[in-house]
Amino acid sequence: ETGVTQTPRHLVMGMTNKKSLKCEQHLGHNAMYWYKQSAKKPLELMFVYNFKEQTENNSVPSRFSPECPNSSHLFLHLHTLQPEDSALYLCASSPPASGFGEQFFGPGTRLTVL
Amino acid sequence: EDQVTQSPEALRLQEGESSSLNCSYTVSGLRGLFWYRQDPGKGPEFLFTLYSAGEEKEKERLKATLTKKESFLHITAPKPEDSATYLCAVQASGGSNYKLTFGKGTLLTVNP
Repeated sequence: ETGVTQTPRHLVMGMTNKKSLKCEQHLGHNAMYWYKQSAKKPLELMFVYNFKEQTENNSVPSRFSPECPNSSHLFLHLHTLQPEDSALYLCASSPPASGFGEQFFGPGTRLTVL
Repeated sequence: EDQVTQSPEALRLQEGESSSLNCSYTVSGLRGLFWYRQDPGKGPEFLFTLYSAGEEKEKERLKATLTKKESFLHITAPKPEDSATYLCAVQASGGSNYKLTFGKGTLLTVNP
């Protein structure tokens, strides 16, 4: 596969469940991002990793836990979520040469918390 | 705090009817302004980067321009396949290199 892939594409979970979102990029980029996209709201940056090191945590609640084992893979571990966490979660990557503004997004995981 | 406001929220055009989308921004210093396109069920797709006032970029029927306070995305003779949500984002100088502040987007519908 090429580009940025995300699995699963859809996820329904209860408030007490634990689940993980996976992102993989096949572009050779070093920076990877997690965003949250809610209806009628702008894209919100959650976490950034550059060369596997976390460089941004945008005041995200601890029920969201990111993991970046290498520059190609990014995970978002979810536990004890709230219904207001229901949203589209987007992963992105970017090459350093672009100044980190040109980002390549995956298709997203549509998360529903019951 | 960096802010991005896009207008209109939604725009409906007939095929061939040219128009413009607006992105006004407030940022302490601008490193770059970015336009993205998002189709339903997909992630945003990068279109343009603008760095300084007076700069213009073109791609097919789209042209992006930048002033010190706003950017315009001009759509010339649009086609139905141009229907999408267009997102504007700014990257501030002096802040995190990684952080983009996005607007809520303009939903463009082009009718045949």
